[in-house]
Amino acid sequence: DTGVSQNPRHKITKRGQNVTFRCDPISEHNRLYWYRQTLGQGPEFLTYFQNEAQLEKSRLLSDRFSAERPKGSFSTLEIQRTEQGDSAMYLCASSSQGVSYGYTFGSGTRLTVV
Amino acid sequence: QQQVKQSPQSLIVQKGGISIINCAYENTAFDYFPWYQQFPGKGPALLIAIRPDVSEKKEGRFTISFNKSAKQFSLHIMDSQPGDSATYFCAATRLNQAGTALIFGKGTTLSVSS
Repeated sequence: DTGVSQNPRHKITKRGQNVTFRCDPISEHNRLYWYRQTLGQGPEFLTYFQNEAQLEKSRLLSDRFSAERPKGSFSTLEIQRTEQGDSAMYLCASSSQGVSYGYTFGSGTRLTVV
Repeated sequence: QQQVKQSPQSLIVQKGGISIINCAYENTAFDYFPWYQQFPGKGPALLIAIRPDVSEKKEGRFTISFNKSAKQFSLHIMDSQPGDSATYFCAATRLNQAGTALIFGKGTTLSVSS
């Protein structure tokens, strides 16, 4: 499978716990994006990496959120002290030259905070 | 501030009919307008995209009509099929900015009845 892979597919956690999601982009893609999608809404941009450098962060990315892409390959998104409002689908996308070149989304990680 | 407004929220079309979804944008700097299709449990997948230098783009049964002066664009699905039943998102971005995160509309849930 050469698509964007996200794990886990589903995560249920108790409020206040920390969670970490992983995204494996298409291997030749050097750009990686995280989005959040709540029910009935379109995806909202969270953050962007070019290789290992985090170049852009949305205001939605509060200080409880942190993303890394340590070797310019896979990326992790961690949410600390989860809140019920964090319940959403977290989507990862990757591309080789920006949004108009092979911009591919993964199937997402569905987070439920109880 | 919602930069991309999409309508209708939901749409029911008979098999063989034409499905039309509309979007309006605010930022005149946007220069790339894709449409994404999303099935339940999956990430969005690129359907068709247009740049503002053309007024229409057709790919198979899918056509984007673009009106730069009105800051509007629409997706037309000809000969709609039950397999087209999904949620459709319009999006917009500026290609020449770093990162080029997509700004999505809220989505239209299309149901094609057989």
